[in-house]
Amino acid sequence: DQQVKQNSPSLSVQEGRISILNCDYTNSMFDYFLWYKKYPAEGPTFLISISSIKDKNEDGRFTVFLNKSAKHLSLHIVPSQPGDSAVYFCAASSRNPGGGADGLTFGKGTHLIIQP
Amino acid sequence: GAGVSQSPSNKVTEKGKDVELRCDPISGHTALYWYRQSLGQGLEFLIYFQGNSAPDKSGLPSDRFSAERTGGSVSTLTIQRTQQEDSAVYLCASSSGLPEDEQYFGPGTRLTVT
Repeated sequence: DQQVKQNSPSLSVQEGRISILNCDYTNSMFDYFLWYKKYPAEGPTFLISISSIKDKNEDGRFTVFLNKSAKHLSLHIVPSQPGDSAVYFCAASSRNPGGGADGLTFGKGTHLIIQP
Repeated sequence: GAGVSQSPSNKVTEKGKDVELRCDPISGHTALYWYRQSLGQGLEFLIYFQGNSAPDKSGLPSDRFSAERTGGSVSTLTIQRTQQEDSAVYLCASSSGLPEDEQYFGPGTRLTVT
């Protein structure tokens, strides 16, 4: 049973417009959420994160929104640029009271294609 | 500074053989994770080392999989009697161990079992 779901395998957006990537989760123990970006033949690179005590976190062109009641988060990229074309993974974890975090649970990813 | 490195980058092996995959985490990182990504799937958590604590092996898919971390640094993931379904990209990540520090990933090892 998938605990983190990204229901859109791919998304095509015109350059300069907003890209919205969605993610749903089922495990209410998750309290920390992250987005990773992955280019072919490279490992994922961290993009942005959000703690469950917040509902929004912004970093430059990237904003993550968290709706805990709906168990839903989204990543907004605005304006979208050609270099944003990549696979985006949503990930979640339960942080341990003593520090550290469990292994991340990943969604299957959404391939974002930015069209010029 | 140097990131997470993994070796080999590619490994082709025959079904039934054992393989060892290596991960060099970022210096000073106390937490180390192994994941795998099968074709068309997301990353699947395998095992997690935190300092000197016993590793969290809850993600290992079978007893053919094992991992160790020597001296709190380098880690090796061993797959015994490989099967075709073991074919995947195996990714290693490390972090400082602080709850909100992100995991930094290596480039992965692509394993193909023929």
